[in-house]
Amino acid sequence: DQQVKQNSPSLSVQEGRISILNCDYTNSMFDYFLWYKKYPAEGPTFLISISSIKDKNEDGRFTVFLNKSAKHLSLHIVPSQPGDSAVYFCAASERGGSNYKLTFGKGTLLTVNP
Amino acid sequence: DGGITQSPKYLFRKEGQNVTLSCEQNLNHDAMYWYRQDPGQGLRLIYYSQIVNDFQKGDIAEGYSVSREKKESFPLTVTSAQKNPTAFYLCASSILSGGYNEQFFGPGTRLTVL
Repeated sequence: DQQVKQNSPSLSVQEGRISILNCDYTNSMFDYFLWYKKYPAEGPTFLISISSIKDKNEDGRFTVFLNKSAKHLSLHIVPSQPGDSAVYFCAASERGGSNYKLTFGKGTLLTVNP
Repeated sequence: DGGITQSPKYLFRKEGQNVTLSCEQNLNHDAMYWYRQDPGQGLRLIYYSQIVNDFQKGDIAEGYSVSREKKESFPLTVTSAQKNPTAFYLCASSILSGGYNEQFFGPGTRLTVL
């Protein structure tokens, strides 16, 4: 049973436009969410995170929005650049939990076309 | 430079052989994790350890074993009991403080069992 879902396996956008990657979760105990970026044959790189006490967190071109009532979060990349082309993973955890585990979605392949 | 190293990058083994994947970190992180990634799949947790000489099974521990004799090292053994060992293996580490468990990943090891 997938607790973190990324329903779009792929997304293609034009350079300079906005990329919006979506993530849904089912476990109401999740209260900390992260986005990772991954290039082929490399380890994921942490991008940005958000705690459940916030509904928005911004870092440069990257903004994460959290809608707790809908159990939905999204990552916005503005403006998109060709170097952003990668697989993006959404992950979630329970901060109050004792095991510090992250639960990952299956990822969305973003392609930014020049 | 602080970071996580995994060796080797590519590993080939014959079916029926055990193989050990190396993971070392010099970030002074308490917790270490092993994940497996298959095509079109997210990261699935194999084992994790929060303290030396202690480790816990993740979601797909069958056919794997680990040890944590030193804080810096968390080797993973893929045994002959693992039915589908060919995969991309990722090691990660994190601090254990305040519940904000951003995990840092190594570059990964691609294991191919022939």
